[in-house]
Amino acid sequence: QLHLQESGPGMVKPSETLPLTCTVSGGSIRSYYWTWIRQSPGKGLEWIGYVSTSGSTNYNPSLESRVLISIDTSKNQFSLKLNSMTAADTAVYFCARFIGSGLADFWGQGTLVTVSS
Amino acid sequence: QSALTQPASVSGSPGQSITISCTGTNSDIGAYNYVSWYQQHPDKAPKVIIYDVSNRPSGVSNRFSGSKSGNTASLTISGLQTEDEAHYYCSAYVRGSSPYVLFGGGTKVTVL
Repeated sequence: QLHLQESGPGMVKPSETLPLTCTVSGGSIRSYYWTWIRQSPGKGLEWIGYVSTSGSTNYNPSLESRVLISIDTSKNQFSLKLNSMTAADTAVYFCARFIGSGLADFWGQGTLVTVSS
Repeated sequence: QSALTQPASVSGSPGQSITISCTGTNSDIGAYNYVSWYQQHPDKAPKVIIYDVSNRPSGVSNRFSGSKSGNTASLTISGLQTEDEAHYYCSAYVRGSSPYVLFGGGTKVTVL
């Protein structure tokens, strides 16, 4: 059974860059796509972007200028960097496996990131 | 790209059927059969219950069904059970030169 686990700081300061890593176990990262999705407190889901095993990416246009998603197949990990963080970026960040028809079938448990000085 | 439109809440009694709508445009839901539905219980990660408009992943109850007409997708829960009380999100995958994913705002299902 595939398992995904997010890791990173639980708090960042305004204007800083958020670095998150998703470690995939129980299967190989060398196929499918891998995605980040976030959920602000009490709000809905927002797609951030995804990366393929070759490293090609697609991002949410509203976040594209601040986002970088990368993949390290040797470590079975993929990562998110979101810069110029503001309070509006406070959210639970989920990583997930993304199938070509647009479905996220395996999810991490999510990690809460708070932006505060 | 705008978020997909869902009703904020839907309720029903145990055993009843309810339907949640998800409205997009002819550029997203209307253009592709890549609509998924997710169920999310409090403090849990979302779980996919429908993909490609009407397909159920293995292990998902057949009480959940999906359909699409034009720019609107629908999720029907039949034989409503207390454990169905959760938030439900629709999602559309828009293919093309710059693919992207849209989510609906979510619907809270309450079992009365």
